[in-house]
Parts: sequence; structure tokens; C-alpha cells
Amino acid sequence: DQQVKQNSPSLSVQEGRISILNCDYTNSMFDYFLWYKKYPAEGPTFLISISSIKDKNEDGRFTVFLNKSAKHLSLHIVPSQPGDSAVYFCAASSIQTGANNLFFGTGTRLTVIP
Amino acid sequence: DAGVTQSPTHLIKTRGQQVTLRCSPKSGHDTVSWYQQALGQGPQFIFQYYEEEERQRGNFPDRFSGHQFPNYSSELNVNALLLGDSALYLCASSFPGGKGYGYTFGSGTRLTVV
Repeated sequence: DQQVKQNSPSLSVQEGRISILNCDYTNSMFDYFLWYKKYPAEGPTFLISISSIKDKNEDGRFTVFLNKSAKHLSLHIVPSQPGDSAVYFCAASSIQTGANNLFFGTGTRLTVIP
Repeated sequence: DAGVTQSPTHLIKTRGQQVTLRCSPKSGHDTVSWYQQALGQGPQFIFQYYEEEERQRGNFPDRFSGHQFPNYSSELNVNALLLGDSALYLCASSFPGGKGYGYTFGSGTRLTVV
């Protein structure tokens, strides 16, 4: 049972435009959400996170939005750069299932076109 | 400063055999987690080791076992290999008591079971 879902396997965006990556979850007990970026032949790299007590977190060009009622979060990248081309994973955890146990989505491959 | 180091990078095993994968955490990290990433899927939590003990375990059978050494390095052992065990195995290390936001992932070991 996939508790974290990324329904868009791929996304293409022009350089300079906004990239919006979406993620849905089913477990209402999740209280911490993360985004990871993965380049080929490398491990995932932590990008940004958000606690369930917030609805927005910003870090430079990256902003994560959390809508708890809809069980939905999104990652906005503005402006998008060619170096942002990678696979992006959404992940979630909860105290109940153990904060160390991250549930990952299947990933979205972002391609930023120069 | 070396990040997380995993060995080997690739290996091929026959069904029914046993395999050992190794992980050296990032300097300063004392907690090691293991994830399995099947093709087209997100990483799935196997277990986490801290102070040489298994602290938390995901939904994996007992064929999957691990060990952490006094220098914080870790091994993942899989017995009686099945074709379905073919996957990328990722090791992640973190700060003392660190959670998902503190993870540093290695680039993984690609295991193929034939």
C-alpha cells in the first residue's frame, strides 16, 4: 500500500519558469515531510522539509507547501535552472511509525530545458 | 570530508545465496539506516542501527539482518536470496539521534539476483 504518492512520473519546464512538483499522502498520522533530490548514480540529497505544524517553508529558490486537510504537499522551484534536472522524491514520517522510518513516493523526474 | 561510502557498487548473486553489503557513515554521524529501492519505486526503510543495536525495523522479513560496528560502520546481510531482492540498496547516516532531515545517503549498491 503506497502511503506517499507522486502521480506525475515526469515534468518538463523551461529555464527561468516555475517548477511545481506534487505529492499526496494517505496516512493522517504523518507529521513530518521532506523532499529529496537524486542525480543519476548518486544517493538522494536532502532538499527541504516541513513540519505538520506549518503550511509553508522556504529555502532560497525552493518552497514547500503543506495542505493537511487535502493531505497534499508541493515543492515549488523558482526560477528553475538546468542544474535542477533530477529525480525528486517526496517522503513522510510520523512518531507512530517511527521518525526514522521514511515513507517515500516513487519520484518525479524534472527536466529543465535551457 | 568523505560522505557515506558503500561497497560494493554492483554485484550479481544467484538465488538462494547470501550477500553482505557494507556502509561507512559520514564523519561525525553515528546512526545508520538501510533502504531498498526497487526499480521504479521509492526507497523502502529496512532498519536503523544506533549504538550497535537495531533501533527500528521496517516491514522486511528476518532474511534481512544487519550489524553495526564500534566505528559506526554497518553491514546489511540478506540470506536465501530471492529474485525479488534485486534492487538498489541505500545506506543513510545521520547525526546522533538524527531523523530524516539529517540523512546523508550513499550512492548505493546495485544487487542483481539471477
